[in-house]
Amino acid sequence: DTGVSQNPRHKITKRGQNVTFRCDPISEHNRLYWYRQTLGQGPEFLTYFQNEAQLEKSRLLSDRFSAERPKGSFSTLEIQRTEQGDSAMYLCASSFTEGVYNSPLHFGNGTRLTVT
Amino acid sequence: SQQGEEDPQALSIQEGENATMNCSYKTSINNLQWYRQNSGRGLVHLILIRSNEREKHSGRLRVTLDTSKKSSSLLITASRAADTASYFCATDPIFSGGYQKVTFGTGTKLQVIP
Repeated sequence: DTGVSQNPRHKITKRGQNVTFRCDPISEHNRLYWYRQTLGQGPEFLTYFQNEAQLEKSRLLSDRFSAERPKGSFSTLEIQRTEQGDSAMYLCASSFTEGVYNSPLHFGNGTRLTVT
Repeated sequence: SQQGEEDPQALSIQEGENATMNCSYKTSINNLQWYRQNSGRGLVHLILIRSNEREKHSGRLRVTLDTSKKSSSLLITASRAADTASYFCATDPIFSGGYQKVTFGTGTKLQVIP
């Protein structure tokens, strides 16, 4: 168990550019979450997958955000045409779900995005 | 959107004292979880309490759950400077459709003064 890995740790980009983040979950985990966190706030739900299926995407997310989880393994989160309001910490978490049983979430250390 | 709300937003205590944080939530749940976050890092799971449990202990942590009031509390006894962090509650809701997502509260920022 090597934990949840997120890359890059930091990303600085200019407004209007596209960025992509990667998350490698714990290998036995079938559920993967993306959250966004701004200073002083709790993690805000963005989207989540069970295996390769995207189960829900936050209504707060614009069409500039897209996430994939090909083959139910790693996941990528892409933000197109970044805006300064996208500056935040992007957190990935994974868990194991079977029936009504959900394990706790295991988080990566996040990718901090700064849009200038 | 945030499902839970922690109270207080910030708490400052002396080392050795107990710290109590409260969480209120809105929907029916399968379980409620508490997490800790050190500055600039990801969240770390502390303890999970199921909807049919009322109290749970783990080391210096004690969690209570009152589903009738939709509230939970986290007690850290004999606090240490290393407990300084933000603490979040998270709810795993019940949905008749079968799929559910874990959502987080707004957090309590705890400072333990040596």
